[in-house]
Amino acid sequence: DGGITQSPKYLFRKEGQNVTLSCEQNLNHDAMYWYRQDPGQGLRLIYYSQIVNDFQKGDIAEGYSVSREKKESFPLTVTSAQKNPTAFYLCASSINDNNYEQYFGPGTRLTVT
Amino acid sequence: LAKTTQPISMDSYEGQEVNITCSHNNIATNDYITWYQQFPSQGPRFIIQGYKTKVTNEVASLFIPADRKSSTLSLPRVSLSDTAVYYCLVAPKGSGGGGADGLTFGKGTHLIIQP
Repeated sequence: DGGITQSPKYLFRKEGQNVTLSCEQNLNHDAMYWYRQDPGQGLRLIYYSQIVNDFQKGDIAEGYSVSREKKESFPLTVTSAQKNPTAFYLCASSINDNNYEQYFGPGTRLTVT
Repeated sequence: LAKTTQPISMDSYEGQEVNITCSHNNIATNDYITWYQQFPSQGPRFIIQGYKTKVTNEVASLFIPADRKSSTLSLPRVSLSDTAVYYCLVAPKGSGGGGADGLTFGKGTHLIIQP
């Protein structure tokens, strides 16, 4: 059963702590993406990766970091430098960066207090 | 990259056809138009993509006039389960998010279907 998974669904952290959100896909897609969504807003691109061991900043990369050591995995770390980390985080993948048919995971809702 | 404008919200009734229009006056020659659907607390789902004229699949149709400055997503005979937010994206294929504007979803159109 192919798809893209994110864990956990809900995550709570204290201010000042780094936290890593997991994203895994078994679709054999080359490209992967991280978005942030705030209440009542659209999605904003944080980082994307076109291929293993390569990634690029999106619109709002400050305070976030990623890695792409394996094709199927693209974890996102929300660092303590991110001023407003509470949000809904969505991971997506596509066959390659030449295709905007993106498949999204179920999302992780992060709350930082 | 092309910026899009959509109505913030729309209402309709079960069984009706719903048309959601997206304006993209600055669309470039190599831009494609993609529509997504999002339910609350879920990731968006790809609906349809097109470049010009008309594209149809099992769930929707996409109409793009000759000047490509707008596009219309058409949902036939909607049901209550079509209540969702619909996003229109315009971006060149192959940009890979370079510049990232093409991969920014606006606020979308909140479609509400009533019985």
